[in-house]
Amino acid sequence: DTAVSQTPKYLVTQMGNDKSIKCEQNLGHDTMYWYKQDSKKFLKIMFSYNNKELIINETVPNRFSPKSPDKAHLNLHINSLELGDSAVYFCASSQDLGRRDEQYFGPGTRLTVT
Amino acid sequence: ILNVEQSPQSLHVQEGDSTNFTCSFPSSNFYALHWYRWETAKSPEALFVMTLNGDEKKKGRISATLNTKEGYSYLYIKGSQPEDSATYLCAFFGNTGKLIFGQGTTLQVKP
Repeated sequence: DTAVSQTPKYLVTQMGNDKSIKCEQNLGHDTMYWYKQDSKKFLKIMFSYNNKELIINETVPNRFSPKSPDKAHLNLHINSLELGDSAVYFCASSQDLGRRDEQYFGPGTRLTVT
Repeated sequence: ILNVEQSPQSLHVQEGDSTNFTCSFPSSNFYALHWYRWETAKSPEALFVMTLNGDEKKKGRISATLNTKEGYSYLYIKGSQPEDSATYLCAFFGNTGKLIFGQGTTLQVKP
């Protein structure tokens, strides 16, 4: 009955590989997000989608590409992985554009690039 | 650069103590202030979303106040319990259209 789910939970891969992280929400929310927890433990937004439309696209390398096949799914594809991409990535969703709506977070995906 | 700062960074209290932490945020272009509770090995869970100056919200032993004119919010925990041990995050929603998180206050409650 998980509200926001992410797969995989752990991802260990080598530099140069391409990988994807999947996110699904069953809350009927219109907006989904990808956050990265940086080395100082800050949660920083990467992307947000509202009804499959890209709303926020932060200054992230273009090796990162989000894809929203429908409003319940937001996947993150990463090309040519680098050591610095190692982090925990969180997916989240909210009813509307997140201003006055609480966000619901997934369990996180710990990506380790070796 | 928009800064959201939380203090203290960490806090150790005894069971039964009451405690409070501070979140400072920009006082201009304010739309909302969010508080989240983040337990180890879990994901952040929303506590409050506050939008009005002077707002005060309560959930059980946890309450929060908001001052948008001076740009701060306090989170209070009355009679701390070991299960309150977590990192408490605040996040500012302004006219950039995104949540900007503070680094969090990590609370440890000793039995």
